[in-house]
Amino acid sequence: GAVVSQHPSWVICKSGTSVKIECRSLDFQATTMFWYRQFPKQSLMLMATSNEGSKATYEQGVEKDKFLINHASLTLSTLTVTSAHPEDSSFYICSAGPGAPRANVLTFGAGSRLTVL
Amino acid sequence: GENVEQHPSTLSVQEGDSAVIKCTYSDSASNYFPWYKQELGKGPQLIIDIRSNVGEKKDQRIAVTLNKTAKHFSLHITETQPEDSAVYFCAASRQGGATNKLIFGTGTLLAVQP
Repeated sequence: GAVVSQHPSWVICKSGTSVKIECRSLDFQATTMFWYRQFPKQSLMLMATSNEGSKATYEQGVEKDKFLINHASLTLSTLTVTSAHPEDSSFYICSAGPGAPRANVLTFGAGSRLTVL
Repeated sequence: GENVEQHPSTLSVQEGDSAVIKCTYSDSASNYFPWYKQELGKGPQLIIDIRSNVGEKKDQRIAVTLNKTAKHFSLHITETQPEDSAVYFCAASRQGGATNKLIFGTGTLLAVQP
């Protein structure tokens, strides 16, 4: 079945540094990937929709300059948390779908836990 | 805007009993309803899904029912086992030409007591 690899699985960084998280679709091409943020004991909050070869579409309230998304190929999307602060600490998860006709069927990565000191 | 409500937020059952989780969606154009299981520290895993042209779907101990008129859908787990313990999320989306985003429910923490 479809596999989505997310790396790193966890990262600890100092306040003010930037952190990049990668999301790869291993056995299918994904024209669209999604990035979510999840706080402890809460649901997944969609941050942005990453479109291959074009700008990401951000959800309301998500700072595009803070969370930079790049979708340079059909198998790779990256999320960069710029100038990270402790309040950015969270579990970040990506998902990808194979496109039509099974466009809705999304596979999720294992998540990346970011801790900002 | 689009919204998916999920109940209960926590559910504790004895091993072997059944568990039912219910969701209600607001967007009448939604036509795809997946259920995900998330274990601690991991990403969500798709366990079953249903499309709006079907009223019920079953896969071994797991079944999902859909009532389009009432905009309700439910997850049923029979003969629960301790390894079923996890957080379960329902979701809804519209099917279109491109990949469409999912709207998630708030999650249900299922605890199966041995």
